[in-house]
Amino acid sequence: GQQLNQSPQSMFIQEGEDVSMNCTSSSIFNTWLWYKQDPGEGPVLLIALYKAGELTSNGRLTAQFGITRKDSFLNISASIPSDVGIYFCAVIQGAQKLVFGQGTRLTINP
Amino acid sequence: EAQVTQNPRYLITVTGKKLTVTCSQNMNHEYMSWYRQDPGLGLRQIYYSMNVEVTDKGDVPEGYKVSRKEKRNFPLILESPSPNQTSLYFCASTRGVAGELFFGEGSRLTVL
Repeated sequence: GQQLNQSPQSMFIQEGEDVSMNCTSSSIFNTWLWYKQDPGEGPVLLIALYKAGELTSNGRLTAQFGITRKDSFLNISASIPSDVGIYFCAVIQGAQKLVFGQGTRLTINP
Repeated sequence: EAQVTQNPRYLITVTGKKLTVTCSQNMNHEYMSWYRQDPGLGLRQIYYSMNVEVTDKGDVPEGYKVSRKEKRNFPLILESPSPNQTSLYFCASTRGVAGELFFGEGSRLTVL
């Protein structure tokens, strides 16, 4: 069953605003990942986090692996129209199974 | 160009009519997987394959079959589709680390 709780489910923001979303779990995981799905496309990996407490940036994106290993957040600074899409957190369960959150749909008003 | 290719991209069918969604990757990846995406539920794993002739159930395998006879291909088979299988399906692959998946563009299936 669903093990990850991702919030918010949707966001409507103005261009230029910062965005923050997070993902929590009742279980401990050793890897947290963030994917983005553009409209009409498959998800693409944005950031992978492998160490508790790790803070990683990829351009305007910053993600952190929570110290408890039960949560992660993703921030986007100074949003632009191409940031529109669905953002998914994900964890690796066992040896090779990837479990996804429900997704955060980001809409940007120009 | 490295890619995961799914066909068909769009399909409307009727209940009970067997169909196959093909998936092919050109990256020599060992691991391949199928997901379905439904509103509010995110991506749920249907089946995965660690290598040729090695497949295993994901979270929602009921009503689906898969095969892995060749490394590059991982077809998803719906023997008797039902309306609750109306969904957006994604195939994905990776060389080793399950987290860093490469996804196809998706196949939108409607079962009437």
